[in-house]
Parts: sequence; C-alpha cells; structure tokens
Amino acid sequence: QKEVEQNSGPLSVPEGAIASLNCTYSDRGSQSFFWYRQYSGKSPELIMFIYSNGDKEDGRFTAQLNKASQYVSLLIRDSQPSDSATYLCAVRYGGSQGNLIFGKGTKLSVKP
Amino acid sequence: GAGVSQSPSNKVTEKGKDVELRCDPISGHTALYWYRQSLGQGLEFLIYFQGNSAPDKSGLPSDRFSAERTGGSVSTLTIQRTQQEDSAVYLCASSPPGAREQYFGPGTRLTVT
Repeated sequence: QKEVEQNSGPLSVPEGAIASLNCTYSDRGSQSFFWYRQYSGKSPELIMFIYSNGDKEDGRFTAQLNKASQYVSLLIRDSQPSDSATYLCAVRYGGSQGNLIFGKGTKLSVKP
Repeated sequence: GAGVSQSPSNKVTEKGKDVELRCDPISGHTALYWYRQSLGQGLEFLIYFQGNSAPDKSGLPSDRFSAERTGGSVSTLTIQRTQQEDSAVYLCASSPPGAREQYFGPGTRLTVT
C-alpha cells in the first residue's frame, strides 16, 4: 500500500522563525512531490512541487527532496501568522499525470 | 484567469437520494480529477479523466459512484442511493496538458441526513 506520512501537529512557531514540515513516503517509485496549503474550510492551494533530489526555492518557501531516504520537506522562512494553515504533502507514483496520494497534513500555527 | 469551479457549493440530501456534483475545469486543462475529503481525513482519490476517458477509476468506493466527462471539459460525479458515510467535501482538480501539478476547485460539501 502506497502511503504518505506526515506529523499531524500542531506545529507552533513564533512569527519570523523558520517552520519545518516533513513528509515520508513508502514507494521508491515515486517521481513527483507536491506541497499544498489548506486554510480551514477552503480547498488545497498548490505551493510548490519538486521532482529532483536537492532543494528548490520559491520566495520564502524551500522544498527539499531526498529520494534515497524517501523524505521530502518544506521550509517556510520568516513565518507569518498568515502562514497558519494545514500543509498537505502529496506524491505521484510514476508518470507525469495521474492521481496524487496525500498525507493527512500538518497543522501549522504561527504565533505573533 | 478563471480557476476550477464546482457546483453546488453545498448540498444537503436525504439518505437514499441520488446527487450530482459538477466540475468545470480550467479552460484548456485536459486532465481532471475527483477527490473527497472527510472530516479529519486526508484527501482520497476517486477518479481521473484524460480528455473524456477515465484511465483510472480505482478510487471509486462502490458502484453507487460514477462519473462522466463530456467535450473534454465539464465533469459530473453522481452518487446514487446516498449513505451517511458519503458525507464529505468533494474536490475537483485539473491539470494542463503534460503538467504534473493539479489545481483544485473550491469543493462541494455534501451532507447526507
């Protein structure tokens, strides 16, 4: 069974700190990795995606992928209260299109 | 541009009734996905369309669930003889040709009483 695991949290960080969100996946055949942000009562919003080992940066967000360890993470620098949300990790196993397998999400709370 | 749209935004139905949920993908997006999210649960894949074909229906939980897509655009998810366990938010997502990322609509909250 293909699984995506995330710590449910809540993860609490002070405003301005770095938030580190982690995700592990079970199948080495995974090829594409996604981070979505979901505010309470809203639908998931794509933040970043990464396909290759290493880091990918976009503004305050950095995605990190380590395929050997089957681990993907999201760093949020200079965290803001508006970053408070649930962060969903999603994985695609093979192919450029097809369904995503989602983790249950980590709830992040950024305290002013 | 316009994002993925879904209707209705909320639907309350009695157990045993049939419901239809609609998804309008982003214009030009060839791939369309249906997921559902139950309270406190992760997103659960239901079905995937590429154009009007459904190469992956593996997530449909029972034969009460069906979906179709016409004209490579609008999709309808139908749930027959609804049960209380069908209560969830039903989310639609779409992808442009060849792209890996998916963009979600606002969802339809279904409540079966």
